[in-house]
Amino acid sequence: AQSVAQPEDQVNVAEGNPLTVKCTYSVSGNPYLFWYVQYPNRGLQFLLKYITGDNLVKGSYGFEAEFNKSQTSFHLKKPSALVSDSALYFCAVRDRNTGFQKLVFGTGTRLLVSP
Amino acid sequence: NAGVTQTPKFQVLKTGQSMTLQCAQDMNHEYMSWYRQDPGMGLRLIHYSVGAGITDQGEVPNGYNVSRSTTEDFPLRLLSAAPSQTSVYFCASQGGRALGEQYFGPGTRLTVT
Repeated sequence: AQSVAQPEDQVNVAEGNPLTVKCTYSVSGNPYLFWYVQYPNRGLQFLLKYITGDNLVKGSYGFEAEFNKSQTSFHLKKPSALVSDSALYFCAVRDRNTGFQKLVFGTGTRLLVSP
Repeated sequence: NAGVTQTPKFQVLKTGQSMTLQCAQDMNHEYMSWYRQDPGMGLRLIHYSVGAGITDQGEVPNGYNVSRSTTEDFPLRLLSAAPSQTSVYFCASQGGRALGEQYFGPGTRLTVT
């Protein structure tokens, strides 16, 4: 079975500081990994994905994520946080050998960036 | 392109009432899904479709029905609303590529009293 864990309900960071939102996963085979962001009263928006290749993936709004197979992690990072980055972030995973409907979402991490 | 649209944005139902949540996409995507979002539980898949005329159950299908008569539309029907169905509902679509990301609608906030 596939699963994903986001161990922090909330991450607090000051504007201008680097941020990390953690995600670990479990799949039986090789993973497809995604990050989505949800702003208040909005649907989820795609940020970035790891399919294969380079372990460092760059996405929208200056975000990046590093795939670490040995640690089964896919942490989301940004070198310098903005107040406008405050939102709910979801990590999602599915096994490459399964269909799109098998995508599993984490419970979400709320990022709060203070001025 | 409007992307994925959902109506209504908000709805209050009484226990036992039925209603349909509408979802439409204008990207000619084959795959469509309905999720519910509950606090502390992430998103859970209710039903999905891999093309017109083809639907299947997701993780939490009980109490819901779907149909897909066209590529564009994927309505979700609540047959007899229960308080446990109070949630935020999201429709999503994805192109036919297996590696693609999903595009989400703005959501419908449903309260069942």
